[in-house]
Amino acid sequence: GQQLNQSPQSMFIQEGEDVSMNCTSSSIFNTWLWYKQDPGEGPVLLIALYKAGELTSNGRLTAQFGITRKDSFLNISASIPSDVGIYFCAGPELVIGTYKYIFGTGTRLKVLA
Amino acid sequence: NAGVTQTPKFQVLKTGQSMTLQCAQDMNHNSMYWYRQDPGMGLRLIYYSASEGTTDKGEVPNGYNVSRLNKREFSLRLESAAPSQTSVYFCASRTTEQFFGPGTRLTVL
Repeated sequence: GQQLNQSPQSMFIQEGEDVSMNCTSSSIFNTWLWYKQDPGEGPVLLIALYKAGELTSNGRLTAQFGITRKDSFLNISASIPSDVGIYFCAGPELVIGTYKYIFGTGTRLKVLA
Repeated sequence: NAGVTQTPKFQVLKTGQSMTLQCAQDMNHNSMYWYRQDPGMGLRLIYYSASEGTTDKGEVPNGYNVSRLNKREFSLRLESAAPSQTSVYFCASRTTEQFFGPGTRLTVL
């Protein structure tokens, strides 16, 4: 089946630094989703990308849908302590009647004040 | 508008006990999903329901059963819990994007 590989697996950064993480797939996706999971909570959708090459921003977050439709990146500018958490990428796989979602293994972000 | 709700938040079971995890959504979504998340791992799909009255297996269905009771509710049942089922369980529902509940933390001793 399809797999999503995220890198880096984890990262420590200083408050105020910019962060970049990416997600690659073994096959093409028509949509890319980026989620953030805070400790002890469920994942929350950050950004959804629907077109190859699309660049979308949400506050300090920017995500891009790769031209090949096999990759995506997420950037966080000027990181703050509340950016701590696990960031997941996800892509939909069409099944009968709906989509099921393939999730990456996550990038764990820790911000040092 | 509560979104996706799950009960209970925490549960401890002994090996062999049964229990049902409840999930409800108030967003009128057709599709609902159950995932498990193990430490250091991503989300793995257990079962999903494309619409009321239909359910299908995901990546890791063994040891679980589901019921799509109506459009709002999708329950996950463990008939005979095993330690390998210790995990955090998330329910989700979907329109064009997927929304998650807060999770149920299950420990099987």
